[in-house]
Amino acid sequence: SAVISQKPSRDICQRGTSLTIQCQVDSQVTMMFWYRQQPGQSLTLIATANQGSEATYESGFVIDKFPISRPNLTFSTLTVSNMSPEDSSIYLCSVEGTGEKLFFGSGTQLSVL
Amino acid sequence: GDSVTQMEGPVTLSEEAFLTINCTYTATGYPSLFWYVQYPGEGLQLLLKATKADDKGSNKGFEATYRKETTSFHLEKGSVQVSDSAVYFCALSSQAAGNKLTFGGGTRVLVKP
Repeated sequence: SAVISQKPSRDICQRGTSLTIQCQVDSQVTMMFWYRQQPGQSLTLIATANQGSEATYESGFVIDKFPISRPNLTFSTLTVSNMSPEDSSIYLCSVEGTGEKLFFGSGTQLSVL
Repeated sequence: GDSVTQMEGPVTLSEEAFLTINCTYTATGYPSLFWYVQYPGEGLQLLLKATKADDKGSNKGFEATYRKETTSFHLEKGSVQVSDSAVYFCALSSQAAGNKLTFGGGTRVLVKP
């Protein structure tokens, strides 16, 4: 299993500012995933982050809005840029274990005023 | 594309009642199917999985059977406890989609003593 530490756990931000979310894993992993969970909705994959290459973004998500860093095999960051109230969500980091199983961090609850 | 549909909540039950959460899916090929659970204030964690037709996943008293003929993976528990109060997510992973997880909308379950 993998233990994932994600921070901050929650934040309240002003419109137009940016927030960087950090994700630390207790073991080396090839792929890390960033999900968004909007209020009352399911999880949506934002992007896949591989170490040493640019992140791969899903339809509807762009690098300028959600830049991702992956400096090594145990760490990644997701930045939510130029925030608006529509960005209020829970953001989740996850990594893949064996058998297609995903491990998740406890999430970052973001509220944008 | 792949999709997962699960019953909307909230589902409110009394302790020791029988729980069923319906989940149906659409996917190309032969996906793997999962149930994830999110307890209050925590990240998602895998509850159970099934990788081929007629497989039964089970964990913590929960069961789900992979029914290819009905494209379903309903979650059941014979006698729920207050500690089972959580949000439950049905999900699938298919090779056609690069093994990315597709989640259902989640079902909130509240068990009252």
